[in-house]
Amino acid sequence: DIQMTQSPSSLSASVGDRVTITCRASQSISSYLNWYQQKPGKAPKLLIYAASSLQSGVPSRFSGSGSGTDFTLTISSLQPEDFATYYCQQSYSTFTFGPGTKVDIK
Amino acid sequence: EVQLVESGGGLVKPGGSLRLSCAASGFTFSSYSMNWVRQAPGKGLEWVSSISSSSSYIYYADSVKGRFTISRDNAKNSLYLQMNSLRAEDTAVYYCAREAMVNYYYYMDVWGKGTTVTVSS
Repeated sequence: DIQMTQSPSSLSASVGDRVTITCRASQSISSYLNWYQQKPGKAPKLLIYAASSLQSGVPSRFSGSGSGTDFTLTISSLQPEDFATYYCQQSYSTFTFGPGTKVDIK
Repeated sequence: EVQLVESGGGLVKPGGSLRLSCAASGFTFSSYSMNWVRQAPGKGLEWVSSISSSSSYIYYADSVKGRFTISRDNAKNSLYLQMNSLRAEDTAVYYCAREAMVNYYYYMDVWGKGTTVTVSS
């Protein structure tokens, strides 16, 4: 089974900050990596698929990069509505989610 | 509007059974693989099961294999999850999610609001 890790597990940031979240797979998954945002009490929302493709309707301040085992989600300028938990997910072999990264207000 | 609506959650005793349903609307249900994903209280997301558009391919997480059964009825635009031999650790919000594919990259692009399952005596 493919295991996913994320770092950091949480971070505090201010509006306007550049935020970077890292995701690592236990084996190479090519670009089979997706990113989701989840707010408390809500369903997850797809942000990025295939490591770097922006889902329709998602603001361009979100971007993804990486391939193989190491991936990054970047928020170029954090907005108030971006405070949430972010999950990576591999789709190379069924699906596995990372443990999540909580982004809160500094 | 593309929509998924889960139902069937509730309180059940350990060892009991429950059947979840997910009603799809606003898209051609029979063209998509579907998934169940759960989230225990205060925890992260866990993929539970997948079913292909024609039910030809079915996959389960090891944590539910042999206890849960995924199925679908394309005529009714509905997805199901039969959960047997329930344990306390199955307590979670259960989401159904549509699986999209572009160039063989798979992702979950539409999610329901979830239904809550509580396993407790």
